[in-house]
Amino acid sequence: DIQMTQSPSSLSASVGDRVSITCRASQSISTYLNWYQQKPGKAPKLLIYAASSLESGVPSRFSGSGSGTDFTLTISSLQPEDFATYYCQQSYRTPPLTFGGGTKVEIK
Amino acid sequence: EVQLVESGGGLVQPGGSLRLSCAGSGFTFSSYAMHWVRQAPGKGLEYVSGITVNGGITYYADSVKGRFTISRDNSKNTVYLQMGGLKTEDMAVYYCARDSGTAMLGGSDVWGKGTTVTVSS
Repeated sequence: DIQMTQSPSSLSASVGDRVSITCRASQSISTYLNWYQQKPGKAPKLLIYAASSLESGVPSRFSGSGSGTDFTLTISSLQPEDFATYYCQQSYRTPPLTFGGGTKVEIK
Repeated sequence: EVQLVESGGGLVQPGGSLRLSCAGSGFTFSSYAMHWVRQAPGKGLEYVSGITVNGGITYYADSVKGRFTISRDNSKNTVYLQMGGLKTEDMAVYYCARDSGTAMLGGSDVWGKGTTVTVSS
């Protein structure tokens, strides 16, 4: 199975900061990489699919980049509602569609 | 409104069985692959199982292979997860998720609220 490694596992930031989260795959996955946001007690929400495509309704301050094994989720200007945990997920070829370990974004 | 609603969670003893259900509404259920994802208390997301649109192909994480079975009934707009040989490490919130398409390549764009499975004697 393909392993996904996220870094950092947590970060502290202030409203208005630019935040980046990285995700590395154990083998090349082209651009079959998705990003989710999860708030406590809630289901995950799809933010980015195919590495850089913004899901409908997601604010444009979220962006994704990368291909092959290295990917980045960027929040250009952190808003109060963005404090949450973020997960990457690979969807290359057949399942299991493994997730990264998560990155918790906390208020500084 | 596009919606997924899980049911069937509860308390079960180690070694026991449980069947989860997930009912879809507001979309053409038979046009989407479906997945189950779980989250143990305080832990991250773990992919459990997936099924193609007609149920012909199924996928499982190694951790549940041979113990869990996914199936679907498109006439009832429902996907199931039959869980057997339950272990304490299976204790989690189980989410049902709709694939964004048929090929399982673009992420899961609709999620249920989850159902809780507790494994304890």
